[in-house]
Amino acid sequence: DAKTTQPPSMDCAEGRAANLPCNHSTISGNEYVYWYRQIHSQGPQYIIHGLKNNETNEMASLIITEDRKSSTLILPHATLRDTAVYYCIVRVASDAGNNRKLIWGLGTSLAVNP
Amino acid sequence: NAGVTQTPKFQVLKTGQSMTLQCAQDMNHEYMSWYRQDPGMGLRLIHYSVGAGITDQGEVPNGYNVSRSTTEDFPLRLLSAAPSQTSVYFCASSYFRGAGAGNTIYFGEGSWLTVV
Repeated sequence: DAKTTQPPSMDCAEGRAANLPCNHSTISGNEYVYWYRQIHSQGPQYIIHGLKNNETNEMASLIITEDRKSSTLILPHATLRDTAVYYCIVRVASDAGNNRKLIWGLGTSLAVNP
Repeated sequence: NAGVTQTPKFQVLKTGQSMTLQCAQDMNHEYMSWYRQDPGMGLRLIHYSVGAGITDQGEVPNGYNVSRSTTEDFPLRLLSAAPSQTSVYFCASSYFRGAGAGNTIYFGEGSWLTVV
C-alpha cells in the first residue's frame, strides 16, 4: 500500500472548519483513501473513505485532487470533541488480506481550541 | 451494538508471566487482527487471521501467539512477558471481501498492558 504524509499537528478554533491535508503521491488506481481518528485513550474510529470523487457524510467531507496524489479531510464546524489524532491511509478496499500491509504512521494531532 | 470487545482494559504483569488478551466481535467479520501502539510510533500489526483456523504473522509477532477457533474470538497470548511488551494493544476486525465500495476496519477500545 502507498505511504501517506501528514503534518504532525494542527490547531483549529472551535466552530471553524478544520482542513487536514494528506499526501499520497504513489497511490495506485485501485487504492482508496481512508480517514480514521483516534480520540485519546480510545481505539481508532472510521470517518470516511473515497476513491476519486469527493465524499461527504455526517462526520466530515473528503476532497481528493484530480490526480489523486493528495486529499483533504474537512470537519466543517470543529468542536472540542474533535480533538484527536487523524490518520490518513490508503488501501485496496475490497481485500482485507491487504490490511497487513497498511502503514498507519503517526497521523495529525488536531487540537480544537475554545 | 457491541462491535469489537477487548478484555481486560488494564493489566500489570511481572516479567516472565503469561497472560491472554481477549477479543470478540459480533459482526461476523472474517478478518481479525491485533496491533500494538507505542509512544512515537504508529500502529504495528502483531498477528492477523482471515478466518477460523487461519492465522498469520504481522510485522512484530515475536513473543505473541494467537489462535482462531471461532469466527467471533481472536485471543492474543503473551508467552513470557517482557518489559518491551509494555504497550497499548488494539484488536480490529473487518469483512475480508469488500462490502460494496469498501470494508471498514473496526477497532476495540484497547488494552493497556504494563510489564514490570
